[in-house]
Amino acid sequence: DIQMTQSPSSLSASVGDRVTITCRASQSISSYLNWYQQKPGKAPKLLIYAASTLQSGVPSRFSGSGSGTDFTLTISSLQPEDFATYYCQQSYSTPFTFGPGTKVDIK
Amino acid sequence: QVQLQESGPGLVKPSETLSLTCTVSGGSVSGGSYYWSWIRQPPGKGLEWIGYIYYSGSTNYNPSLKSRVTISLDTSKNQFSLKLSSVTAADTAVYYCARGYGTSRFMDVWGRGTTVTVSS
Repeated sequence: DIQMTQSPSSLSASVGDRVTITCRASQSISSYLNWYQQKPGKAPKLLIYAASTLQSGVPSRFSGSGSGTDFTLTISSLQPEDFATYYCQQSYSTPFTFGPGTKVDIK
Repeated sequence: QVQLQESGPGLVKPSETLSLTCTVSGGSVSGGSYYWSWIRQPPGKGLEWIGYIYYSGSTNYNPSLKSRVTISLDTSKNQFSLKLSSVTAADTAVYYCARGYGTSRFMDVWGRGTTVTVSS
């Protein structure tokens, strides 16, 4: 199985801050990397697919980059509705695997 | 707009079989290029992919659960289903159904999730 790691596991930030979350795969996954946002009690929501493609309807303050084993999710200016847990997920090979998540909360 | 809704018992006894159904509205489960997936999330933990069924009926399961999992498609009802046998407390989780799409197989539409507790 491909192992996914994320850093940091949690972070505190203020509205307006630029936030960067890193995801690393245990082997090359090309650009088969997706990012999801999950709020408490809710289903995950797709933000970015194929490493850098913004899902329709997702604000442009979200962006993704990377290929191979190292990826980043950036929120250019954190908004109150962005406080949530973020997961990366590889869809290069089955079993699909998720990172452990990064919780973004209010400083 | 496609919507997914999970349904099934919220309480299952140990050693029994967990059965859930995902009803698809606003689209067809037999449409092309879609992977109909199940994912679960134990309380306070991360996400685990269980498996998917392709619109053609072929399946792919997580090896960690493969001996206990069956995912099936019912095109007449526009539904797909999950069966997980011989459950234990470790199978207690929120279970989500989701639609995967295209060569990238990202999951772009999710159900709200249903909580299943395994307890006697």
